[in-house]
Amino acid sequence: AQTVTQSQPEMSVQEAETVTLSCTYDTSESDYYLFWYKQPPSRQMILVIRQEAYKQQNATENRFSVNFQKAAKSFSLKISDSQLGDAAMYFCAYRSLETSGSRLTFGEGTQLTVNP
Amino acid sequence: DTGVSQDPRHKITKRGQNVTFRCDPISEHNRLYWYRQTLGQGPEFLTYFQNEAQLEKSRLLSDRFSAERPKGSFSTLEIQRTEQGDSAMYLCASSLAATDWGGINEQFFGPGTRLTVL
Repeated sequence: AQTVTQSQPEMSVQEAETVTLSCTYDTSESDYYLFWYKQPPSRQMILVIRQEAYKQQNATENRFSVNFQKAAKSFSLKISDSQLGDAAMYFCAYRSLETSGSRLTFGEGTQLTVNP
Repeated sequence: DTGVSQDPRHKITKRGQNVTFRCDPISEHNRLYWYRQTLGQGPEFLTYFQNEAQLEKSRLLSDRFSAERPKGSFSTLEIQRTEQGDSAMYLCASSLAATDWGGINEQFFGPGTRLTVL
């Protein structure tokens, strides 16, 4: 079974600064997707960024980028020019492409605080 | 609003009672998922449907839990004889099925139903 670990329960960053959230995962599979989801307080979870494991190039979405290290099974999220609206719980998630299941496996989450 | 909706948003019940939650997915989405999220944790997969067929169930889904999607549109999740350990946020998500090129489509989440069992 796959597992996802987020070792930083809480992180904080100053507005306009850069922060990196860590995620490691364990799998024996070679084909999978990785995701970062954002869950603002009392609001629904939204997808921030996704990475296909077969792609060597790191995904980027505006101020959000990832550092995907397949051999190390590491998938960190970098948020540049942090904004107050980035404050939320961030979840790293894994999705297999090799098994028939469609489930997402989530990490424990990192609570991000953005200080003005 | 054309996103995923869930009803009710909050439910407080006494131990031993039955509860039912409803999820309305995005209209063209044929896949529907249920997750459970306890406080301070990430969501855990419970089950998913493709159209009306329930294709996968987690071991977390005990005999007291049942999910249905009778016409391939909305879904219900029922918990019988609730226990205090069932207190959690129950999240529903929907997506289109896999793409023709073998890729996957994004799961869109609803706002969740927060269950409190007293």
